[in-house]
Order: sequence, then C-alpha cells, then structure tokens
Amino acid sequence: GIQVEQSPPDLILQEGANSTLRCNFSDSVNNLQWFHQNPWGQLINLFYIPSGTKQNGRLSATTVATERYSLLYISSSQTTDSGVYFCAVTKLFNDYKLSFGAGTTVTVRA
Amino acid sequence: SQTIHQWPATLVQPVGSPLSLECTVEGTSNPNLYWYRQAAGRGLQLLFYSVGIGQISSEVPQNLSASRPQDRQFILSSKKLLLSDSGFYLCAWSGPGLAGGEQFFGPGTRLTVL
Repeated sequence: GIQVEQSPPDLILQEGANSTLRCNFSDSVNNLQWFHQNPWGQLINLFYIPSGTKQNGRLSATTVATERYSLLYISSSQTTDSGVYFCAVTKLFNDYKLSFGAGTTVTVRA
Repeated sequence: SQTIHQWPATLVQPVGSPLSLECTVEGTSNPNLYWYRQAAGRGLQLLFYSVGIGQISSEVPQNLSASRPQDRQFILSSKKLLLSDSGFYLCAWSGPGLAGGEQFFGPGTRLTVL
C-alpha cells in the first residue's frame, strides 16, 4: 500500500508563531486531504488538495504531486489550533481507501 | 447541506458481547460510505467501504462485518467482541461515482471492550 509520512511528529508553538507541517507520500495520488482532529475526536476537513495551492484564512496548503509531498502552513497560530493534524491520501487508479499518516500533534501555548 | 450521524457516541461492552454501530447520512443520494477505526494515539485505518446498497468491500480481515441496508445507512457489527476491538470508530461519506472524492467524517463512537 501507499506510505504516508508526516513531520514533525510533535510541534510546540507560542501563540502568534508560524509553522509548516509536511506530508510525504510514496506513490501517485488522486486525493490528498488535510484534517484537524479536535480534543473530542472530530475530524475537521481543512483542505482537499491533490495538487496546487489553497488558502483558508490563516491556513494554507500546497501539494506538489510530481514530487510527492504536501505542506500545511499555519500562520499567527492561536490556542484553538492545538490538536492533531493528519494528512491522508488515496492512491491513483480507482482506490477508495484513505491512507493516513501518523499525524502531527500541535500544541499552541498562550 | 450534508450531515452525518453516528450512534452511540460511547459504548462499553464486555468481551464476547455483540456489537452494532450505526451511521446515517443526510442531504445526499447514493454516497460512498466508509468505516474507519483509530487506535489510541494513531492514524485511522479503513475497515470497510460501500459504493451502493448491499455492496461491501472489506479491507482488513477480522471479526467485524458491515452492512448497508439502505442508501444512506451503514452498520458495523460483530457477533463476539474482542479486547482488541476497542477504539474510536468513524464513519465517513464521499460523493457517488469515482474514487478519490473528498471524504467527510462523522463524530465517531468510542468503544471500550472490557
């Protein structure tokens, strides 16, 4: 199956700081999603971004499909940004399964 | 807009007891439906998916089963629970048709098997 690696595994930030999370994947994909899992376990969709760049408020993401990686940028971090960020992909050619990385745990301190 | 519901939210069951978790989706027709499991502190693993009523594909052999009796209803079952079945179970949906569509997750069920 496809391998998904996220880095760093843990990130501690001071409120107001910027950060970059990385997701590397081992094969061609037709779906790449970034999620934020809140303390109650809810997976919140951040981006659907198999290629290109998108922005949503203080968050933005870039996927370079040809080089098999994606980046999630958090700017001016807030305490509410704390949680686990997951990258997940589906392999190209009719694969329904989302394969998840192990996640990056982000802690934003006031 | 589309919404996805799961129940129960939490469940504590003894080893060897049966299991039934339910997921329903509103606001869409013929969705693709998925069951994932998340072990503590880890990423999610796909258990089953369905592209239509009565069509179930299994990703991981185990003592769990899934059924789709109606278009927007997906059920996860077990006849006899094991300790290793404990975890956080999430249902998801995506639009009908091609694979690779954006998936949206429900609130999940926390299952503890004692």
